Amino acid sequence: GQNIDQPTEMTATEGAIVQINCTYQTSGFNGLFWYQQHAGEAPTFLSYNVLDGLEEKGRFSSFLSRSKGYSYLLLKELQMKDSASYLCAVRARSNTGFQKLVFGTGTRLLVSP
Amino acid sequence: GAVVSQHPSRVICKSGTSVKIECRSLDFQATTMFWYRQFPKQSLMLMATSNEGSKATYEQGVEKDKFLINHASLTLSTLTVTSAHPEDSSFYICSASSGTPNSGNTIYFGEGSWLTVV
Repeated sequence: GQNIDQPTEMTATEGAIVQINCTYQTSGFNGLFWYQQHAGEAPTFLSYNVLDGLEEKGRFSSFLSRSKGYSYLLLKELQMKDSASYLCAVRARSNTGFQKLVFGTGTRLLVSP
Repeated sequence: GAVVSQHPSRVICKSGTSVKIECRSLDFQATTMFWYRQFPKQSLMLMATSNEGSKATYEQGVEKDKFLINHASLTLSTLTVTSAHPEDSSFYICSASSGTPNSGNTIYFGEGSWLTVV
């Protein structure tokens, strides 16, 4: 099975930088995703890492260390609209060859003025 | 536009009845579809993985006979909640994969379905 852990809640102020961590334990690792989700809506894709290192996309960056089972999502120049839940998800290949995407506990981020 | 369509977006049913939720991939063939359940202020919990050409693989603790999943074709998967009870009330969301295992954003989510059992 998988264990995927994130902090439950974080708060930050507008214009700041926030880092959301995700630790995981899994077998058959085949990529880590970050999604943003507003209440009552479907998750929105933010980033994908399958190799170690940093992926940057505008105000959002994601980092992966496979040996440590660790990832983080970095949000820069925070805006009020960034208040949402951020979900870390791990894709893993089972021993039957099929893949599944399992989500972490999710982090609720509140951005204040 | 949406590449995965989920229907209905909201449904209210009486306790003891069954309700079916559909998930369609609109412009690609989905070799794998996932069904999730989400309670308020919680993350998505994987219920089952449906792979084209085989039966759904259910996660531990998910009742197969209660949550019937059928990957009817490469563009349609259905989740039927049988003999629904109020505790089944939740947000159900599907996702579909176009089957390129090493590509990041080939997993698309439906809009989700709010089920309320009264």
